[in-house]
Amino acid sequence: DTVMTQTPLSSPVNLGQPASISCRSSQSLVHSDGNTYLNWLQQRPGQPPRLLIYKTSNRFSGVPDRFSGSGAGTEFTLTISRVEPEDVGVYYCMQATQIPYTFGQGTKLEIK
Amino acid sequence: EVQLVESGGDLVQPGGSLRLSCTASGLAPGAVWMHWVRLAPGKGPVWVSLLRSDGITVYADSVKGRFTVSRDTAKNTFYLQMNSLRVDDTAVYYCVRDGGSGAFDFWGQGTMVTVSS
Repeated sequence: DTVMTQTPLSSPVNLGQPASISCRSSQSLVHSDGNTYLNWLQQRPGQPPRLLIYKTSNRFSGVPDRFSGSGAGTEFTLTISRVEPEDVGVYYCMQATQIPYTFGQGTKLEIK
Repeated sequence: EVQLVESGGDLVQPGGSLRLSCTASGLAPGAVWMHWVRLAPGKGPVWVSLLRSDGITVYADSVKGRFTVSRDTAKNTFYLQMNSLRVDDTAVYYCVRDGGSGAFDFWGQGTMVTVSS
């Protein structure tokens, strides 16, 4: 199984400042079709997870453009350009290149 | 708009059974890939199963032989039949639509399953 490792596990940030979360996979996420199926999810307190980014860098419908995804192969990053209060929650990376699909352990974003 | 509503979660003893339902609106059940994902307190999400639009099913090793997914297109509902439940199956269970390209794009609110004696 592909292991997804996120860093940091906790990220206190100031409002209006940038934040970034890293995700490393134990093997390349490049599919045989040439695509890289790496997603980022956000889970606000008391809510189900919500898709932010799919295929590494594509923002899902309705996701603010302060969220961006980048990376390739085994190294990926989620960046929030300016943190806002509603961004508090837990962020997960997940890979959909290989079955079983696997998730990172989560990064908790908090406001300082 | 796609909406998914899970139900059926409960407290059950180890070795017991439970059937979860996921009622969908805004999509055609026979035309989508639907996953079940579980989230235990303090842990990351775990993928449980996939029911493809062509009827093929895939399971995580931890539930293979114990869990079964199905759908009733007339009722717009997906099911997760869980047998031989174990304490480590305790989690909130979500049904999740696969929007293509591996994008887990719509999640239900979840239903809590607690396995305890």
